[in-house]
Amino acid sequence: NAGVTQTPKFQVLKTGQSMTLQCAQDMNHNSMYWYRQDPGMGLRLIYYSASEGTTDKGEVPNGYNVSRLNKREFSLRLESAAPSQTSVYFCASSELDRDDYGYTFGSGTRLTVV
Amino acid sequence: SQQGEEDPQALSIQEGENATMNCSYKTSINNLQWYRQNSGRGLVHLILIRSNEREKHSGRLRVTLDTSKKSSSLLITASRAADTASYFCATVKGGFKTIFGAGTRLFVKA
Repeated sequence: NAGVTQTPKFQVLKTGQSMTLQCAQDMNHNSMYWYRQDPGMGLRLIYYSASEGTTDKGEVPNGYNVSRLNKREFSLRLESAAPSQTSVYFCASSELDRDDYGYTFGSGTRLTVV
Repeated sequence: SQQGEEDPQALSIQEGENATMNCSYKTSINNLQWYRQNSGRGLVHLILIRSNEREKHSGRLRVTLDTSKKSSSLLITASRAADTASYFCATVKGGFKTIFGAGTRLFVKA
């Protein structure tokens, strides 16, 4: 099925550990995004990639790094996890420069940092 | 600062009733979008309304936009139990600055 695939779906990390969240889309979208969702808050943009080869910071980039591996894949890395990074992470994609086009979201990664 | 804010935070209705959710925002926008999120799932795009549009329909969904009041409403008519979800508005100002509100949790009782 066409869409956005995220792995893993669940993860528990110890403080200071590192991990990479994977995201892939098969809709040939140019733009990809990483959001985090916390209780009582809307989604907050961590990083985005407008097109292959470019990445930019969003609202809450501290503690994260990203890689746009190719047009399909956009990964999010936590170098040294902290309890404040406990959250649900969503990857999304959309058409480039089409701000009249909705986002397609993955099903999320639930991350707990202990 | 958060751009889109939904009201109410939670809404409980009987199946068959209409559900209305509101979204307010602070600055000018290019368009406003509504999304649905079922428990444990990602967001699903429902409908988009441009800044020069006042009303839009899609099936049982009706969205209005009042740019003078910087507000939008989402009406779901003849609600079903399957409509139980959280609903988010997202304001698009341009570029890649899409901002999501905190959502309205809708519960439709069968």
